[in-house]
Amino acid sequence: DTAVSQTPKYLVTQMGNDKSIKCEQNLGHDTMYWYKQDSKKFLKIMFSYNNKELIINETVPNRFSPKSPDKAHLNLHINSLELGDSAVYFCASSQASSWGNTIYFGEGSWLTVV
Amino acid sequence: GEDVEQSLFLSVREGDSSVINCTYTDSSSTYLYWYKQEPGAGLQLLTYIFSNMDMKQDQRLTVLLNKKDKHLSLRIADTQTGDSAIYFCAESRGSNDYKLSFGAGTTVTVRA
Repeated sequence: DTAVSQTPKYLVTQMGNDKSIKCEQNLGHDTMYWYKQDSKKFLKIMFSYNNKELIINETVPNRFSPKSPDKAHLNLHINSLELGDSAVYFCASSQASSWGNTIYFGEGSWLTVV
Repeated sequence: GEDVEQSLFLSVREGDSSVINCTYTDSSSTYLYWYKQEPGAGLQLLTYIFSNMDMKQDQRLTVLLNKKDKHLSLRIADTQTGDSAIYFCAESRGSNDYKLSFGAGTTVTVRA
């Protein structure tokens, strides 16, 4: 039933490790996103893919690498994790229409780097 | 975000109306959204309004848009404890604008 689902929901890992967060949407949307929410709840876009093509790549360290195997999936791989990477990472999807480009979010993945 | 501003906190008594305000800077903003985030949960789309509208009502929610002042508000009638959450205002420029700009969120606390 879940429209945008991401795993894992919680992840605690040590500095220097490499980890991945997976995301899948069953809405048939063409566009998927990764957003980062920091400790002050501020949301910032990281990446966006449209039909498996990267269309937005904000100023994000290249330790973060998104991968979209198909338009229903967008995974986020993070190398050499740092303390400052601790945040909530939200996957989202949208479909452009005459009604706009309404974005639907997943439940979030809480990453804690220790 | 810099383009969208909201006050950070709002405390309201149960049963009263809540009004959450938002201002944006981009005059080409076409679509404006309100999202709700409950503790430990993701963002839930509450409602949205197009820039050619002044008002939109959806059950207890009323959205007002003053395009001249670039001011958006969300009114929640008969506020309940389940309305305690962070409310985010967001804007985009059109259906081909994939960058949704978010405000910093308003934390609404409903007290008995």
